[in-house]
Amino acid sequence: QKEVEQNSGPLSVPEGAIASLNCTYSDRGSQSFFWYRQYSGKSPELIMFIYSNGDKEDGRFTAQLNKASQYVSLLIRDSQPSDSATYLCAVNYPITGNQFYFGTGTSLTVIP
Amino acid sequence: DTAVSQTPKYLVTQMGNDKSIKCEQNLGHDTMYWYKQDSKKFLKIMFSYNNKELIINETVPNRFSPKSPDKAHLNLHINSLELGDSAVYFCASSQDLWWTSGRYEQYFGPGTRLTVT
Repeated sequence: QKEVEQNSGPLSVPEGAIASLNCTYSDRGSQSFFWYRQYSGKSPELIMFIYSNGDKEDGRFTAQLNKASQYVSLLIRDSQPSDSATYLCAVNYPITGNQFYFGTGTSLTVIP
Repeated sequence: DTAVSQTPKYLVTQMGNDKSIKCEQNLGHDTMYWYKQDSKKFLKIMFSYNNKELIINETVPNRFSPKSPDKAHLNLHINSLELGDSAVYFCASSQDLWWTSGRYEQYFGPGTRLTVT
């Protein structure tokens, strides 16, 4: 079963707060994890990838991976209204040839 | 100088018709993909092509047939359209198969919104 689960949202945070987005996956063999941002009516764009346990930081974004718990998260610090979008988690499934499988996404609204 | 382009942007058609969506990338990439995104935003891989060869063909009905005339183009032909085919179809490309190249970025086209009535 290729499952990538995300909290359904919508998630609303005030401007300047930390937004926390979560994703769980079912294949213990998964090695690579991706976060995409998709603005309404637009195409997805890759914002972060991570493949080692721990944290990976890029500007205001931090991806956190815990393979033992099969859990990956995305933190957005100092949230801005321009961060309002749907965030898609994607995970590779080696058993199916390493294709990405996406979660259903979490809609984030940052309130000015 | 759009990197990944798709035509048409919108497609409205009736059940039973046959339609095609075209995709072109000018990034010099070797790998191209088709994704389907349904009304609940669920994004699902349909096909992957590497150097014009089919790599992945998920469990997609055989009414869907991709064709890659060259590395820069990947078209999607759909026969006998059904209501459930209504979705946004995204084309994407990447430098290479990410698990061999270690390069992860996939560049998505703007999408084609298909509505079947």
